[in-house]
Amino acid sequence: GAVVSQHPSRVICKSGTSVKIECRSLDFQATTMFWYRQFPKQSLMLMATSNEGSKATYEQGVEKDKFLINHASLTLSTLTVTSAHPEDSSFYICSARRLYQETQYFGPGTRLLVL
Amino acid sequence: GENVEQHPSTLSVQEGDSAVIKCTYSDSASNYFPWYKQELGKRPQLIIDIRSNVGEKKDQRIAVTLNKTAKHFSLHITETQPEDSAVYFCAAPMNYGGSQGNLIFGKGTKLSVKP
Repeated sequence: GAVVSQHPSRVICKSGTSVKIECRSLDFQATTMFWYRQFPKQSLMLMATSNEGSKATYEQGVEKDKFLINHASLTLSTLTVTSAHPEDSSFYICSARRLYQETQYFGPGTRLLVL
Repeated sequence: GENVEQHPSTLSVQEGDSAVIKCTYSDSASNYFPWYKQELGKRPQLIIDIRSNVGEKKDQRIAVTLNKTAKHFSLHITETQPEDSAVYFCAAPMNYGGSQGNLIFGKGTKLSVKP
């Protein structure tokens, strides 16, 4: 199989606080993990790509100092939303990919609400 | 870079009818085309994919066709059932710079199957 978990599934936080989201590949080694943001009734927008052991590559328009990504092992990547504001409220989804394979397997997503 | 267009944005069919969703892409170097199904509030699930060395792939009621010359690919669902109701996304890989292999998603098609 290819199972990806994400934690937490839902988080509510106050404006100005930081939130960490974890993405784990449970039964395979994910050399590459991706972080997406999805607004209601919209498509998946790639935020950044992380390769194990190296710095993440951010898409144009995504602030790397605001969305900190760490991919310290072959099964775990984290996204930290720093100093969150209401406009950061969204559905964040990660995906993972094996080395030399194109298929991405998605996590269940994290719904973030910043008050 | 890659650009993916998906049509229609919404599609309503009667149970038992067929549904067809089309996507076009811009980069002739693209060689991998997945389709994902996303139910409300859930993760995108890979339902079928095709590589550029074949023109058609079928899995039970689902098929994907690829026309490399015209740079378009289509998802075909036959004998639709209410549980097919979801948002469907097509995708194609980015083929430039450090983002090689990352996916660009279409805007999605909301399929409604009426009993």
